Parts: sequence; structure tokens; C-alpha cells
Amino acid sequence: SQKIEQNSEALNIQEGKTATLTCNYTNYSPAYLQWYRQDPGRGPVFLLLIRENEKEKRKERLKVTFDTTLKQSLFHITASQPADSATYLCALDRDQAGTALIFGKGTTLSVSS
Amino acid sequence: NAGVMQNPRHLVRRRGQEARLRCSPMKGHSHVYWYRQLPEEGLKFMVYLQKENIIDESGMPKERFSAEFPKEGPSILRIQQVVRGDSAAYFCASSQLDSGGFGETQYFGPGTRLLVL
Repeated sequence: SQKIEQNSEALNIQEGKTATLTCNYTNYSPAYLQWYRQDPGRGPVFLLLIRENEKEKRKERLKVTFDTTLKQSLFHITASQPADSATYLCALDRDQAGTALIFGKGTTLSVSS
Repeated sequence: NAGVMQNPRHLVRRRGQEARLRCSPMKGHSHVYWYRQLPEEGLKFMVYLQKENIIDESGMPKERFSAEFPKEGPSILRIQQVVRGDSAAYFCASSQLDSGGFGETQYFGPGTRLLVL
């Protein structure tokens, strides 16, 4: 079955630095991969979607890469701010049919000033 | 444009009672998904519905759990005879079909936190 791993449970960085989060998957070739942000006690908030034929996508200070050979996505936050502190979730489509998403357990990012 | 709405936000039930969780999708969205998040675990897919149809319930326990999305009104996730292990955050998400026919981006509600005593 598909497996998705975010290989850091927690990441602590200084304000202004670039945060890089990693998402790896196995046993599958997803049509797309998504990143969500989740704050404590809240629902996940959609950030970015990248398709299998895209190498990179940007949105303001966010950048996502998608390497289908390595089966890996990297999520970057440049010029990080304390307000970026949250848990970031990686998700991929389960069966290329627009149905279920499979989520990683998330990486909790803490940005200190 | 209101987002996905869920109620109640918090629900306390005693073992053996029934829990009903409601979800109103975003305006214009016809696809609803339910996920469960246990402490220290990731979100797990439960069920995918379109209006009046269950499309995929492969992630939902076979017993005690049911879901519906009627023609009118919110989607309902029903848990009968709750047990302590049902305590979790339940999230609803909605999407609309894109030009490729997929419901890709899912927009999540704030969740219902169920506590079974």
C-alpha cells in the first residue's frame, strides 16, 4: 500500500532563515501532491498543489518541488517568520481518481525570533 | 464566501450513546470527504460522498459508523454506540470537480472534537 513519510517530526529555525520540509512516498506514483498547514485545534489549510509533470511551484514565500524519480517533495518557506510556526502536512491522492487523500503525520515547524 | 462549516465543534458523549457530526460544504462544492485524526497520528480518510451517493467508504469502520449527504442539508457522520477509542478530531472537507474531472484540492472545516467518557 502507499506510504508517505515526513521525515522530521519537528523543525526549529531562526527567523529569516529558510525552512525546508521533506515528504517521501513509496509504492505509488501520485498524479499530484499537496501541502497543507494545520494550527493547533484547527483544520488543515490548503497551501499548494503540484502535479506529477511539474518540477516546481511557487506562491509568495513558499516553494514546492516534486521529484517523481526520487519520490520526494520538498517544501520551502523563505524568510521565515514566527507566524509560520505550525504543523505542515504533505498529502497525495490515493488513486488518481479525485477521492481520498493520504496524509503524512506532519512536521511541526517552530520559528524563533 | 463561507468556508466548510462543521458543528458541533466539540461533542462529549458517554459510552454507548450516539454521536452525530454535521458538515456543510463550501458553496458550489458537491464532494464531501470525512477524515479522522487521532492524537499523534495523521489524518485518515474515512468516506467520500457526493449528493445522495456514497462513492468510497473504504476507510470507514464497517460497524457503528455511517455517513450520508442528502439532497438537501448537510452531510452527517453518525457513530452509534460510541466507545472511548472513537475519541478523536473528525474533519470534513469539500471539493469541486476541476476541468480534468478530479476533485483535487480539498478544503477543510474546523473539525469536531469528539470526547467519549
